[in-house]
Amino acid sequence: NAGVTQTPKFRILKIGQSMTLQCTQDMNHNYMYWYRQDPGMGLKLIYYSVGAGITDKGEVPNGYNVSRSTTEDFPLRLELAAPSQTSVYFCASSPGQYQETQYFGPGTRLLVL
Amino acid sequence: AQTVTQSQPEMSVQEAETVTLSCTYDTSESDYYLFWYKQPPSRQMILVIRQEAYKQQNATENRFSVNFQKAAKSFSLKISDSQLGDAAMYFCAYSFDDMRFGAGTRLTVKP
Repeated sequence: NAGVTQTPKFRILKIGQSMTLQCTQDMNHNYMYWYRQDPGMGLKLIYYSVGAGITDKGEVPNGYNVSRSTTEDFPLRLELAAPSQTSVYFCASSPGQYQETQYFGPGTRLLVL
Repeated sequence: AQTVTQSQPEMSVQEAETVTLSCTYDTSESDYYLFWYKQPPSRQMILVIRQEAYKQQNATENRFSVNFQKAAKSFSLKISDSQLGDAAMYFCAYSFDDMRFGAGTRLTVKP
């Protein structure tokens, strides 16, 4: 059972470039989340989804976009990369919302230069 | 806004000893959930323990237990018989309509 998978593991972007971080889960979870973790800090919620076709903003959504066309996939899009977006990005999923344990992917390390 | 505070950036414990990691949070809600997650050097976030606020009994998972003080809004993690594999960053998290994380405590285990 793969759980939550993320690609790529590491990426270097130039300022102004765009990219999509991929996230897939095989647990048939309705809820999916994107977090960022800055050095020495905890995770902050970027966007979340309660099911296919439904997404909502989290604490730090600026500079990002998401879509959820299937239960399994929840890609995160960076349109115009900025140095402030240098971070480690985690995708997570859960069967239900706040009361449920979230299962995390291994993370994507992004460096914007 | 709900906030989670971990006042100990770093902690150290001798192998086989007991250590307690502190966490406090701010909320006006009465029914919420609290979590401790472990993040080893691999960066994978792993659930350690989960507590439901409406349950007075403290959660335990093998060598890991919590001291949940709802009135004080405190949620500390006790690790007994510490092992080298316990070395990691530990994050406290509060969940109501979303999940908020503390800044983490780095635990070092000395052999």
